Amino acid sequence: NAGVTQTPKFQVLKTGQSMTLQCAQDMNHNSMYWYRQDPGMGLRLIYYSASEGTTDKGEVPNGYNVSRLNKREFSLRLESAAPSQTSVYFCASSEGWGLKQYFGPGTRLTVT
Amino acid sequence: QKEVEQNSGPLSVPEGAIASLNCTYSDRVSQSFFWYRQYSGKSPELIMSIYSNGDKEDGRFTAQLNKASQYVSLLIRDSQPSDSATYLCAVKNTNAGKSTFGDGTTLTVKP
Repeated sequence: NAGVTQTPKFQVLKTGQSMTLQCAQDMNHNSMYWYRQDPGMGLRLIYYSASEGTTDKGEVPNGYNVSRLNKREFSLRLESAAPSQTSVYFCASSEGWGLKQYFGPGTRLTVT
Repeated sequence: QKEVEQNSGPLSVPEGAIASLNCTYSDRVSQSFFWYRQYSGKSPELIMSIYSNGDKEDGRFTAQLNKASQYVSLLIRDSQPSDSATYLCAVKNTNAGKSTFGDGTTLTVKP
């Protein structure tokens, strides 16, 4: 089992560009999450999907959109990147809503 | 007030000592509590979960929960340099269902 995978691992964008971060899990988990982590800080929830077909906003959803493509895949889209979105992005999944989470390796995004 | 607060750290202990990491939370009806370890440049990994008052032991790790005081802690006995990492406390909020993370405490174990 690969667990939770994320692509890309690194990305540099110019202000105003768009991109999609991909996440997939092979553990048959129902819930999936997108977090961002800024230096010296904890994880802040951007969006989550409690189950296939549903998505909800977390603490910091502005500037992002998500798609739960199927049970395995949950993507995060930045429509018009801003320097404030420079961060490390983690995708996670859990068997049930709010239960122990398994994290992907992260995507380091820099917006110049 | 933050929903989940941790000692700001950093915390430094000598090898072989007990490291004590603390976490307080504001939602009185929180149900589930998790400790994650995050090595520098890596993703968080779950090391302990606790759901009821008291102590839960797993090897060198002990999680302690006191719901009346809204307090959860993680003790690491016989600390090793390999325990040097940032430890994140997460609390599942009953109504929202999702977990909220603290900012983490960075632990350094000196040989």
